Amino acid sequence: QSVLTQPPSVSAAPGQKVTISCSGSSSNIGNNYVSWYQQLPGTAPKLLIYDNNHRPSGIPDRFSASKSGTSATLGITGLQTGDEADYYCGTWDSSLSAGVFGGGTKLTVL
Amino acid sequence: QLQLQESGPGLVKPSETLSLTCTVSGGSISSSSYYWAWIRQPPGKGLEWIGSIYYSGSTFNNPSLKSRVTISVDTSRNQFSLKLSPVTAADTAVYYCARSRLSVHMTPSHEGDWGQGTLVTVSS
Repeated sequence: QSVLTQPPSVSAAPGQKVTISCSGSSSNIGNNYVSWYQQLPGTAPKLLIYDNNHRPSGIPDRFSASKSGTSATLGITGLQTGDEADYYCGTWDSSLSAGVFGGGTKLTVL
Repeated sequence: QLQLQESGPGLVKPSETLSLTCTVSGGSISSSSYYWAWIRQPPGKGLEWIGSIYYSGSTFNNPSLKSRVTISVDTSRNQFSLKLSPVTAADTAVYYCARSRLSVHMTPSHEGDWGQGTLVTVSS
C-alpha cells in the first residue's frame, strides 16, 4: 500500500479536462510540498509540478495543481492523446523521514 | 544539461548484493542545493523511493528497506552508489537515479532530473 492514495485510473475525451487526486496525511502532504510526475510508457518519470503548483520550464500551462490540507490535485486541460501516461504524486513524509509516492494514476484519453 | 546514468549488473542472484552506480555529468554532485536519490519501479507497478544522499554523505533511507540499503557518494568521480543486500525476487525492478532539490527543511524535495533507469532482475 502506498502512503499517498491516488485513483488507479481516470479517462476523458480529447480536448476535455481531467483531475487526479492525491490524498495523504498531516505528516506528508499536510506539511510538505507536493510534486507531480508524468511517466510515458517505457520512459523515466518527468517532473510536471513542484512545490504544490509550480511548473518547470517547458511544461505547458495546460498542467496545473493545487493543495488543500492533506490532499492535492493535478489538473490537465485540453487533453491530447500524447497525455496518455501514468501520473504520480510525491512528497516528503516527516514522520518516516523518507520520500513517498502515490500508487499512480493511469490516464486514458478516449 | 545535467545527465544521470545508471550502471551495474542486470541480473543478481537471490541472497546476494545488488550494486548500482549513478554517474552524473553536466553538473557537480558537490552542489549544496541538491540531494541525490535512488527510486525503483517493479514491473507493472508504481514508484518506490529508496533513499537519498547529500554530497557530505548525509543520507535518508526508506524505513521499509533501511537495514538492507547502503547509499554512498564519491565526489571525486561525481558518482553515487546503491547497495541492497540481501536481495529477493521482490527486488526485481527498474532502478532510477535522480537529482532532488534541497527543501527549506534541509530534506530532499522533488526529483527534477532522472536517469533513464536500469532493469535489475533477481533470479537464480
